[in-house]
Amino acid sequence: EVQLVESGGGLVQPGRSLRLSCTASGFTFGDYAMSWFRQAPGKGLEWVGFIRSKAYGGTTEYAASVKGRFTISRDDSKSIAYLQMNSLKTEDTAVYYCTRDLWGYGDYFQHWGQGTLVTVSS
Amino acid sequence: AIQMTQSPSSLSASVGDRVTITCRASQGIRNDLGWYQQKPGKAPKLLIYAASSLQSGVPSRFSGSGSGTDFTLTISSLQPEDFATYYCLQDYNYPLTFGQGTKVEIK
Repeated sequence: EVQLVESGGGLVQPGRSLRLSCTASGFTFGDYAMSWFRQAPGKGLEWVGFIRSKAYGGTTEYAASVKGRFTISRDDSKSIAYLQMNSLKTEDTAVYYCTRDLWGYGDYFQHWGQGTLVTVSS
Repeated sequence: AIQMTQSPSSLSASVGDRVTITCRASQGIRNDLGWYQQKPGKAPKLLIYAASSLQSGVPSRFSGSGSGTDFTLTISSLQPEDFATYYCLQDYNYPLTFGQGTKVEIK
């Protein structure tokens, strides 16, 4: 059974950094792209970005709202994906989800973690 | 970025009703679209991929159609467990973008 467990959320002041982790199990982690989404309180869903598998270069794509501030990385030996969030803003407050897609390309998101809440506030 | 315009933003319906939700893309996206269901406090669930393919385990009362710029999610006979918010998501190019969501409520 595929499982994704996010951790690392919490309360952080504006301008500070936070790193989220997504620990995966139940599948060959290295074969899949890993994506991050977020949802601000009471709002809709937003794609944050993703990292391709090493077979596809391990490269990343980001939403414009986080580009240059957020970095996605992966450790295939540990089956963990990371979301490093720097220069946090109040508008980054959201539940953050990591996901795995159907086929490994980062398109249709079949598996989601339970989400971790990040609150950016002074 | 491609804009996804989803309508309606909310609707009230009764059990057994046929429900239709639409998404329009600001440019052609072939059939690179998925539909997701989200219940309060829960992660989204994939219902439809590639515009019209039913995800494994999803009831057959859900169906999707469309290509290019206009897409539709249909629930043929609304069930109590279908009351939720529905989102379309285009994966034609980056950044991936969602529709604003449609909240389906009990009439």
